[in-house]
Amino acid sequence: DAGVIQSPRHEVTEMGQEVTLRCKPISGHNSLFWYRQTMMRGLELLIYFNNNVPIDDSGMPEDRFSAKMPNASFSTLKIQPSEPRDSAVYFCASTYHGLAGNEQFFGPGTRLTVL
Amino acid sequence: ILNVEQSPQSLHVQEGDSTNFTCSFPSSNFYALHWYRWETAKSPEALFVMTLNGDEKKKGRISATLNTKEGYSYLYIKGSQPEDSATYLCASISSGSARQLTFGSGTQLTVLP
Repeated sequence: DAGVIQSPRHEVTEMGQEVTLRCKPISGHNSLFWYRQTMMRGLELLIYFNNNVPIDDSGMPEDRFSAKMPNASFSTLKIQPSEPRDSAVYFCASTYHGLAGNEQFFGPGTRLTVL
Repeated sequence: ILNVEQSPQSLHVQEGDSTNFTCSFPSSNFYALHWYRWETAKSPEALFVMTLNGDEKKKGRISATLNTKEGYSYLYIKGSQPEDSATYLCASISSGSARQLTFGSGTQLTVLP
């Protein structure tokens, strides 16, 4: 298996633009997580899905952030409009059975820079 | 929101030394604890998943223990090697209808040759 795939790996955009980050989980995994890593706050869970359904989005910073999982093999995290403080590395991870005692497999991350 | 703390924040050891660090988490509503190893410019990689009080897990020279009653876990590295240099993260998962996962800020380990 290729592991969790994220695209793009790097994104540089200007303030106010829409940004869409993409994730393909490991085949057969039924849970998907979006994380954000910043120097100030470390690694934070933004939202997670079980069987394509959002379970907990309490970590999503504000209404500018939205996430979807239209099918078991694809998820997007969208920021509209983007702001400089959104600059971070965004990781996607997948596993079996949600927030259970199962290890998560992380993708390589997308480094977002908002100018 | 869970408060997960790791100590020390950073650590430098000589090659061959053994070392350990701590992850503290709220003991109430505990469900699971994860340890991850995170090398610079890479993604976090799972080391251990621990759920039961008294759990001890081992992978090569790295081992971990779990005390859910007092809310801590120790990660041990025996005979540290330069390739062990990384940030070691723990994440605590709470039980209940809405599970929460919270990462600690990590312990940055540097093993000097």
